[in-house]
Amino acid sequence: DTAVSQTPKYLVTQMGNDKSIKCEQNLGHDTMYWYKQDSKKFLKIMFSYNNKELIINETVPNRFSPKSPDKAHLNLHINSLELGDSAVYFCASRLGTVNSPLHFGNGTRLTVT
Amino acid sequence: QKEVEQDPGPLSVPEGAIVSLNCTYSNSAFQYFMWYRQYSRKGPELLMYTYSSGNKEDGRFTAQVDKSSKYISLFIRDSQPSDSATYLCAMSGHYGGATNKLIFGTGTLLAVQP
Repeated sequence: DTAVSQTPKYLVTQMGNDKSIKCEQNLGHDTMYWYKQDSKKFLKIMFSYNNKELIINETVPNRFSPKSPDKAHLNLHINSLELGDSAVYFCASRLGTVNSPLHFGNGTRLTVT
Repeated sequence: QKEVEQDPGPLSVPEGAIVSLNCTYSNSAFQYFMWYRQYSRKGPELLMYTYSSGNKEDGRFTAQVDKSSKYISLFIRDSQPSDSATYLCAMSGHYGGATNKLIFGTGTLLAVQP
């Protein structure tokens, strides 16, 4: 009954590979986010979707491509992985139109070797 | 200079101590201030949120905002080993709205020793 669930939990891959991370929320929220947390615990927003529409797109390399098939799902595909992509990627969701907090998943720990 | 500055710690205190965690910020447009707690290998979870200046108390936790100094604090009374986690401050210019962006501090690692 996890509210925001991400898969996989761990991802170890080599440079140059392409990988995807999936996120699903069962909270009925309409806005979903991808955050990247580096080794120093700094959380930086990457993308946000509201009702399947991309509304926030920070300065992220275009090797990263988010996709939202419906408002309960947000996926992240990464092409040509680089060493610097190693981080923990968090999915989060909230109701975009009211004062509600962000609910985070437990993260996907990506290691690029 | 980052928009939100937070001492990364680590901060180690004995059980029962009062803990003070702080953040400073530079953007005077911030109006909503939050504290998240993140246990190891878990996602952040919301602890407290406040609007504008003032105090808010919830059990052992008190959040303070001083907008004139651009300074926010989280106090933990009677700290417990279960409080050991990373505490992240976060803030935004407005809380509602789909395009709202939450800006996080770097987090302070707290260890409460039994």
